[in-house]
Amino acid sequence: DSGVTQTPKHLITATGQRVTLRCSPRSGDLSVYWYQQSLDQGLQFLIQYYNGEERAKGNILERFSAQQFPDLHSELNLSSLELGDSALYFCASSVAAQGRGYTFGSGTRLTVV
Amino acid sequence: SQQGEEDPQALSIQEGENATMNCSYKTSINNLQWYRQNSGRGLVHLILIRSNEREKHSGRLRVTLDTSKKSSSLLITASRAADTASYFCPYGGCGGKLIFGQGTTLQVKP
Repeated sequence: DSGVTQTPKHLITATGQRVTLRCSPRSGDLSVYWYQQSLDQGLQFLIQYYNGEERAKGNILERFSAQQFPDLHSELNLSSLELGDSALYFCASSVAAQGRGYTFGSGTRLTVV
Repeated sequence: SQQGEEDPQALSIQEGENATMNCSYKTSINNLQWYRQNSGRGLVHLILIRSNEREKHSGRLRVTLDTSKKSSSLLITASRAADTASYFCPYGGCGGKLIFGQGTTLQVKP
């Protein structure tokens, strides 16, 4: 157990639907990062939060949104899902805003059918 | 691109041999990190080397950094079947986020 908890582990949903992925960072970590990993795109950085505020944005689609709550857990919302959104979604946390060692969760495998 | 680019893309060796993989990047960095990912699992942080360091060791891992050539290498000595995984070298610039390349897929045959 890395200390970063992601739920659910697996999710199967239909095109057009909306899902929410949840991430609890390691205790004491203020930064949360979301990544999408697919076979053709590799690991793509989506978004970073630090202590509740958005810090950096990557290749995140407008259909996707995220937030970090006061207890530091984060949610990634994916809407109007398409087949191409099928991927592994990882959350990582680190103690600071700067790029020190990340602790990754085990991921959520999303399958859109 | 800001990402680290790993080379080779794939590497296959026998158990007990050493494995060397390289990484190149294009911008200035604060640090460079190496991660391992077993198939379909989360990534595990292996080692972080700061821009003012040239070499770092952790167990059977040895990482070097050459900022003049914008390159790094990861050496795994006396490899084991359990080392079979993909290895990534994202690096940290401004803002804290890490950008990953495609990684090197290492297969260690028993």
